[in-house]
Amino acid sequence: DTGVSQDPRHKITKRGQNVTFRCDPISEHNRLYWYRQTLGQGPEFLTYFQNEAQLEKSRLLSDRFSAERPKGSFSTLEIQRTEQGDSAMYLCASSPRSASSYEQYFGPGTRLTVT
Amino acid sequence: DAKTTQPTSMDCAEGRAANLPCNHSTISGNEYVYWYRQIHSQGPQYIIHGLKNNETNEMASLIITEDRKSSTLILPHATLRDTAVYYCIVRVGYDNYGQNFVFGPGTRLSVLP
Repeated sequence: DTGVSQDPRHKITKRGQNVTFRCDPISEHNRLYWYRQTLGQGPEFLTYFQNEAQLEKSRLLSDRFSAERPKGSFSTLEIQRTEQGDSAMYLCASSPRSASSYEQYFGPGTRLTVT
Repeated sequence: DAKTTQPTSMDCAEGRAANLPCNHSTISGNEYVYWYRQIHSQGPQYIIHGLKNNETNEMASLIITEDRKSSTLILPHATLRDTAVYYCIVRVGYDNYGQNFVFGPGTRLSVLP
């Protein structure tokens, strides 16, 4: 399978704990995105990388959230001191290197439950 | 906020064409129309996109009105596996900060046997 992969698929944690999620994009894609999706809503943009550079962050990305893409390949999203409101599906997407193609390909997501 | 409006839900009989409308009356000349769908518990799946010409691929057809203020996604022969939430999104066709995909609530399509 050469699609976007995310790990873990499910995470249950207690309030106040730190969690880290990983995303492996499609290998030739240089753009990588993180989204958050709560029940019944569409995905909400969190942050965007082009290669290793984090070029954009949503105001939804509070100080407790940090994302990295150190070598321009896989990316990690860390949430510190989790709160119950962080419970959501966290989606990663990648898009091609082409200057004229912006369709994004999504992974299966990581479902976070904060108890 | 999403720049598109879509019906909340639609039903379609299996084997019939599903026509999903989308209004984007404030679309700019450099904005493309993208369609995605999300099957329950999966990530969104890219379907098709277009600027002003009608487009067709192996999944669907996209019909954009001449004034570009609305579009219709057509699934020619809907199957039960097409039951999903369908999102219509507009965005510019080049990298521009603040112009990432903005998903609205979408249309929940139910394909009925």
